[in-house]
Amino acid sequence: LAKTTQPISMDSYEGQEVNITCSHNNIATNDYITWYQQFPSQGPRFIIQGYKTKVTNEVASLFIPADRKSSTLSLPRVSLSDTAVYYCLVGAWTNAGKSTFGDGTTLTVKP
Amino acid sequence: DTEVTQTPKHLVMGMTNKKSLKCEQHMGHRAMYWYKQKAKKPPELMFVYSYEKLSINESVPSRFSPECPNSSLLNLHLHALQPEDSALYLCASSQIRDSSYEQYFGPGTRLTVT
Repeated sequence: LAKTTQPISMDSYEGQEVNITCSHNNIATNDYITWYQQFPSQGPRFIIQGYKTKVTNEVASLFIPADRKSSTLSLPRVSLSDTAVYYCLVGAWTNAGKSTFGDGTTLTVKP
Repeated sequence: DTEVTQTPKHLVMGMTNKKSLKCEQHMGHRAMYWYKQKAKKPPELMFVYSYEKLSINESVPSRFSPECPNSSLLNLHLHALQPEDSALYLCASSQIRDSSYEQYFGPGTRLTVT
């Protein structure tokens, strides 16, 4: 299983762009990279998933370099409600659903 | 309906009790998961069911017993738990396709073992 490493915490201000990087040096060929957001006492919520290059949806972008050993979640123009823990998850269903969450990055958005 | 529901929301049980956690989804997902999450830690995978069959048991103690009665339901039976088993128990579901899987999580059951 790929081990993931993320910064423990990050601070930002409202309206700024936030980039959170996840390192996954031993990612396997079939593995996908998925990011989740979690608020206290709630289940994680899917944000975005990618395999390579760049993926964008209505809430975030995910940048994955060619070697796939890291990935960067980009949140444009954050607001106070984006204060949460963000997890990257690396895995593939072809590994029978096995995957490992990173330790998570606590993002605090200040006014 | 993109919701995973879990009951109960909170559960307090003694070490000699037997209780069950319930999870339900109606998204047609054929994979369902149980995770355990301690405070300020990431979720830890416990069990995975695919097509109603147990496919992964991450060396979980036998006092936790999962059950998948049908494709929409997932139960976790609890017996003779220890205080260190107190945690947030999360259920998730996903489609099974290619290698990717987007997991939908329920709100969790907050379990306290006294």
